[in-house]
Amino acid sequence: DIQMTQSPSSLSASVGDRVTITCRAGQGITNYLAWYQQKPGKVPKLLIYAASTLKSGVPARFSGSGSGTDFTLTISSLQPEDVATYYCQKYNSPLEFTFGPGTKVDIK
Amino acid sequence: EVQLVESGGGLVQPGRSLRLSCAASGFIFDDYAMHWVRQAPGKGLEWVASISWNSVSIGYADSVRGRFTISRDNAKNSLSLQMNSLRAEDTALYYCVTEPTEQYYFESWGQGTPVTVSS
Repeated sequence: DIQMTQSPSSLSASVGDRVTITCRAGQGITNYLAWYQQKPGKVPKLLIYAASTLKSGVPARFSGSGSGTDFTLTISSLQPEDVATYYCQKYNSPLEFTFGPGTKVDIK
Repeated sequence: EVQLVESGGGLVQPGRSLRLSCAASGFIFDDYAMHWVRQAPGKGLEWVASISWNSVSIGYADSVRGRFTISRDNAKNSLSLQMNSLRAEDTALYYCVTEPTEQYYFESWGQGTPVTVSS
């Protein structure tokens, strides 16, 4: 089983700041890597899939990059509505899916 | 509009069984693989089980393999999760989730149904 780590586990930043969250797989994986946003008390929402493809309707300030073992989610200009926990998720053949432990983002 | 409505959750004693259901609408059900994902109170997300569009490929997390069974009925646009030998650590909110076939990400989520395993 390939473990996923995320860093930092939490962060506090100011409105307008650039925020970067890192997701690391224990070994190289395909680019089947997705990012989700879960606001407090709400259902998770898909932001990015295939490591860097933005889901339709998601604000362009969100972007994803990376390959192999290291992936990043970047919020180019943090907004108050971005307060949430962010999870990465990877796929392993055959039919195994793993979420990272999550990164909690707050406004300073 | 995609709608996923879970039902069947509740309070159950350890060792007992429970069956969750998910009614899907607003999309072509058999174009999608389906999954159950759970979230224990105050914890992160955990993938539980998946089933391909034609029920040929099925997968389970190690934590539930041998106790849970996922199934689907494409004629009824429904997904199920039979949960046997329930444990306290199965207490969670269970989400029904779609995956565009062989894209390996979770596109749409239901609101979830809560399961509490306690004596």
